[in-house]
Amino acid sequence: QVQLQQSGPGLVKPSQTLSLTCALSGDSVASNSAAWYWIRQSPSRGLEWLARTYYKSRWYNDYAESVRSRISINGDTSKNQFSLQLNSVIPEDTAMYYCARIETLARGISTFDIWGQGTMVTVSS
Amino acid sequence: DIQMTQSPSSLSASVGDRVTITCRASQSVMNYLNWYQQRPGKAPNVLIYAASRLHNGVPSRFSGSGSGTDFTLTISNLQPEDFATYYCQQSYDTPRVTFGQGTRLEIK
Repeated sequence: QVQLQQSGPGLVKPSQTLSLTCALSGDSVASNSAAWYWIRQSPSRGLEWLARTYYKSRWYNDYAESVRSRISINGDTSKNQFSLQLNSVIPEDTAMYYCARIETLARGISTFDIWGQGTMVTVSS
Repeated sequence: DIQMTQSPSSLSASVGDRVTITCRASQSVMNYLNWYQQRPGKAPNVLIYAASRLHNGVPSRFSGSGSGTDFTLTISNLQPEDFATYYCQQSYDTPRVTFGQGTRLEIK
């Protein structure tokens, strides 16, 4: 059974760094058919992708324009996990954060089939 | 980014009813369209992928159709556990995936 387990603090002060980790069991982060996302959800912005990483001999990363200047995603094959860092957080970064697997089922056809349990992150002093 | 617009935003129905939710993309996404169900306090769960294919284990009362810019999710014979929020999501522009704003299905 494939599972994603999230960890990280639920409260971050403004201007500080939000750090979350997603540990994978039952699969490998180096899977040829999968990529790994961080997605957040808030009443004002809905479901919003933030970052993607995947492994093909090395790690490749992509970032949403809205957070590109202050975000990083890192995959770790030795620990079978991936992580998110969002710098200089503001109150508008308050949201439920999810990690998720996107599985490619056929050419161009992919779906988020495994999700972490979610971490509610509040940005407040 | 491709904008996904769902309608209605909310919907009231009774157990046993049939309901339809629509999703419109701001440009063609071919059939790279997925539907998810989200219950309160939980992560989304995939129902339909590639516009019309039922994901493993999803009851056959769920069905999807459409291609290009217009898509529908239909739930027949509503069951109590179906009252939740539903989202469409395009994977045409991966990694820049986008979701609809959601349709909340409530018990009448």
